[in-house]
Amino acid sequence: GENVEQHPSTLSVQEGDSAVIKCTYSDSASNYFPWYKQELGKGPQLIIDIRSNVGEKKDQRIAVTLNKTAKHFSLHITETQPEDSAVYFCAAPTTSSTSYGKLTFGQGTILTVHP
Amino acid sequence: DTGVSQNPRHKITKRGQNVTFRCDPISEHNRLYWYRQTLGQGPEFLTYFQNEAQLEKSRLLSDRFSAERPKGSFSTLEIQRTEQGDSAMYLCASSEGVTGYTEAFFGQGTRLTVV
Repeated sequence: GENVEQHPSTLSVQEGDSAVIKCTYSDSASNYFPWYKQELGKGPQLIIDIRSNVGEKKDQRIAVTLNKTAKHFSLHITETQPEDSAVYFCAAPTTSSTSYGKLTFGQGTILTVHP
Repeated sequence: DTGVSQNPRHKITKRGQNVTFRCDPISEHNRLYWYRQTLGQGPEFLTYFQNEAQLEKSRLLSDRFSAERPKGSFSTLEIQRTEQGDSAMYLCASSEGVTGYTEAFFGQGTRLTVV
């Protein structure tokens, strides 16, 4: 099955700085990589995703890069704001799955943005 | 709001009791997933429905757990003879599509505490 490793587990930045979170995956056939943001007491919220046919995708202050050869993908947040503080999860699909349902999640990164 | 809805939000139960959670997916979504999340961890896949068919179940889903999705609309997750180890956040997600991976949207979750 898919194995997803996420680093760092905690990240503390000053407001306005950039934040980068990295994930590696094991299944070379994986082709879809979402990132979720989870605030305390809430469910995960999809913030950006990337498919294997592109190397980078950007949405305002958030970008994701994918290196299929190295089997890793990263989340980049620029000009961080205190409301970016949350737990961020990367995920990758299990291509051996009999369905398109199973995502394997990383362990999460607690991002704290200090004003 | 037409997002994924889960009820109840919180449930406290005594060990050995049965509990049932409900998930109402986004109305046009034919795919529905259940995940479990414990403190400090990413969500772990439990089961997946496409319309009313349960296509995949995780080995995490012991025979005390059962999920249904009658008529391909809402879904229920029942845990029989609850144990303290069942305490977790139970998350439901939905997405649309027949083939390929598509964006999955999560509900707010049901937090179960077994005492």
